[in-house]
Amino acid sequence: GQQVQQSPASLVLQEGENAELQCNFSTSLNSMQWFYQRPGGSLVSLFYNPSGTKHSGRLTSTTVIKERRSSLHISSSQTTDSGTYLCALERGNNRIFFGDGTQLVVKP
Amino acid sequence: GPKVLQIPSHQIIDMGQMVTLNCDPVSNHLYFYWYKQILGQQMEFLVNFYNGKVMEKSKLFKDQFSVERPDGSYFTLKIQPTALEDSAVYFCASLGVSQNTLYFGAGTRLSVL
Repeated sequence: GQQVQQSPASLVLQEGENAELQCNFSTSLNSMQWFYQRPGGSLVSLFYNPSGTKHSGRLTSTTVIKERRSSLHISSSQTTDSGTYLCALERGNNRIFFGDGTQLVVKP
Repeated sequence: GPKVLQIPSHQIIDMGQMVTLNCDPVSNHLYFYWYKQILGQQMEFLVNFYNGKVMEKSKLFKDQFSVERPDGSYFTLKIQPTALEDSAVYFCASLGVSQNTLYFGAGTRLSVL
């Protein structure tokens, strides 16, 4: 079965609204990471966050290992935030598993 | 920041031909990956590579696939022969010894006709 599940699958916001993206994993992990995939495909790493809370500008990532979940919070969304957000967990042997992603659309 | 370069960005070939996708990973990185993403679908792990060897590969890594990184050169994914279902975007990624952040290339879009 799928080891990484993301929700929601898609999300539409008005500019200025906040977004909360979830990532749940079914196995133990060594690390987890959030990526942003631009429309057209290239990937940008947002957070490497195996545990705890990290901030970067309008983005906040929180990983709670014992609950097997990680979240990505986007505050005051902008149209340029539109794209796909992927979480990935790394298990042993440097094997990394991706979720299906959340497709975010921010309307002006 | 560090960059992973993939060449070419788009490749169009006829079914049955051989194709080589090239990846220039972040310098000093030691772990290398290939992922496959069909349009609109999940990114799928193909293979990871370390110290000149395949560490692990998925069921998607068919016998027609091979990877190598001759010293000082590109990390390559070769498909020989190609099939229609190989059409996808292939992403290369590399990871440093500290295993902190995985860096991705922009992808190579492969179209098999």
